[in-house]
Amino acid sequence: EAQVTQNPRYLITVTGKKLTVTCSQNMNHEYMSWYRQDPGLGLRQIYYSMNVEVTDKGDVPEGYKVSRKEKRNFPLILESPSPNQTSLYFCASSYKQGGVHTEAFFGQGTRLTVV
Amino acid sequence: GQQLNQSPQSMFIQEGEDVSMNCTSSSIFNTWLWYKQDPGEGPVLLIALYKAGELTSNGRLTAQFGITRKDSFLNISASIPSDVGIYFCAGQLRTGTASKLTFGTGTRLQVTL
Repeated sequence: EAQVTQNPRYLITVTGKKLTVTCSQNMNHEYMSWYRQDPGLGLRQIYYSMNVEVTDKGDVPEGYKVSRKEKRNFPLILESPSPNQTSLYFCASSYKQGGVHTEAFFGQGTRLTVV
Repeated sequence: GQQLNQSPQSMFIQEGEDVSMNCTSSSIFNTWLWYKQDPGEGPVLLIALYKAGELTSNGRLTAQFGITRKDSFLNISASIPSDVGIYFCAGQLRTGTASKLTFGTGTRLQVTL
C-alpha cells in the first residue's frame, strides 16, 4: 500500500530542545515536502526536496532544517524549537506525470506543542 | 509568498444539493490541485489540473483550471454526508527546477440530512 509515514503523531517538548520528525515514503518518489498547518492560515510549505541531496526553502523555512540522504526519507529537524513552532506538520510525497510533480500523498500529521 | 483567496470559507448545505467553491490568485499557476481533509487526517488529493481551460471530473466532483491560469473552481454534485470536511485548493508554480505549492485557506463543508 502506498504510504507516507510520519513519526511521532504527537509530541510535546520544551523550548530549545532539539527534535526530529521523521517522514518515510514507500513509492520511490523523487519529490517530498514539509508543511505546517495553522488555523486560518492553511498549509504553508516549509521545505521541499526535488531528489536526494537536493533541498530548497519553501515559504516558511526559518527555524527548520531538512536532509535528504536517501530517497525514501525526509526528516524535519528543529534545532531549537520555540513556542511559535507549535503547529500541525505534514509530510508529502509527489508522483511525476508528464514532467510535473503532483503532491498526491500526505502523511497523517504530527501535532507538535512547544512549551 | 503568493496568496490564494478561497471562497466560501464555510458552507452548510442539505444532502442532495450541489456545491460550488472557488479559488482566485493575483498570479498565475502552472497546476491547480484540489484536496479534502478530514479531521485528524492529512489532505487527500481529489483532482489535479495541468492545463488552462482543463475540465476534469472524478465521480461527483468536477474541477476546472481557469483560462487566465489565476483561478479554479470545484463543484460537488448531489452531496452526501461523507462529503463533510475541509476542501483546499492549491496552486503550483514551477520555475526552472524549482516547484512550490501554495494552498488556499480552505472551505469547510457541512452537510445536513
